[in-house]
Amino acid sequence: AQSVTQLGSHVSVSEGALVLLRCNYSSSVPPYLFWYVQYPNQGLQLLLKYTSAATLVKGINGFEAEFKKSETSFHLTKPSAHMSDAAEYFCAVNPTGTASKLTFGTGTRLQVTL
Amino acid sequence: DTGVSQDPRHKITKRGQNVTFRCDPISEHNRLYWYRQTLGQGPEFLTYFQNEAQLEKSRLLSDRFSAERPKGSFSTLEIQRTEQGDSAMYLCASSSVFGSGNTIYFGEGSWLTVV
Repeated sequence: AQSVTQLGSHVSVSEGALVLLRCNYSSSVPPYLFWYVQYPNQGLQLLLKYTSAATLVKGINGFEAEFKKSETSFHLTKPSAHMSDAAEYFCAVNPTGTASKLTFGTGTRLQVTL
Repeated sequence: DTGVSQDPRHKITKRGQNVTFRCDPISEHNRLYWYRQTLGQGPEFLTYFQNEAQLEKSRLLSDRFSAERPKGSFSTLEIQRTEQGDSAMYLCASSSVFGSGNTIYFGEGSWLTVV
């Protein structure tokens, strides 16, 4: 079965600091990987996706993620945190890459402080 | 393109009552998904349709849950004889098999509170 593990249910950074949210995946086939963001009481918004092209993927709002097969990781980063980045972030895997279902991690809540 | 639309956004119901949620996917998306999300957890897959065919159902989808997509466009998720454990946000999502078919777009969710 395919799965993702998000290390750290809560991450707190200062405004302007580096954001690093960790995601490790387990997949028996080459995965497609996604990061979604969820603001309070809202649905999920796609931040970025890896679909076996470039290993460094750039997304919206200045976020990017790097696919590392050797480490089975797909960590999300942003060089400088902004207060508006405070939200819940979910990593997800699509094992077949053909628009089939996503399997989500348990999420990481990002807090940004002044 | 208006995105995935869900209705109602919030529903409070008494235990034992039936509730129905509606989802309108992005137009021309032939795949439609239902997920459930409880507080502090990631979304959990319930079921998905390709056109009007229900192709997969999770074990989470008990006999009290039924989903339909009769004309391959909008979908409904009905929960019969609701229980307090059904309290959650029910998320609908859609995607297209064609083009950038691996991207799944989510709606705003429908919150269910069973009292």
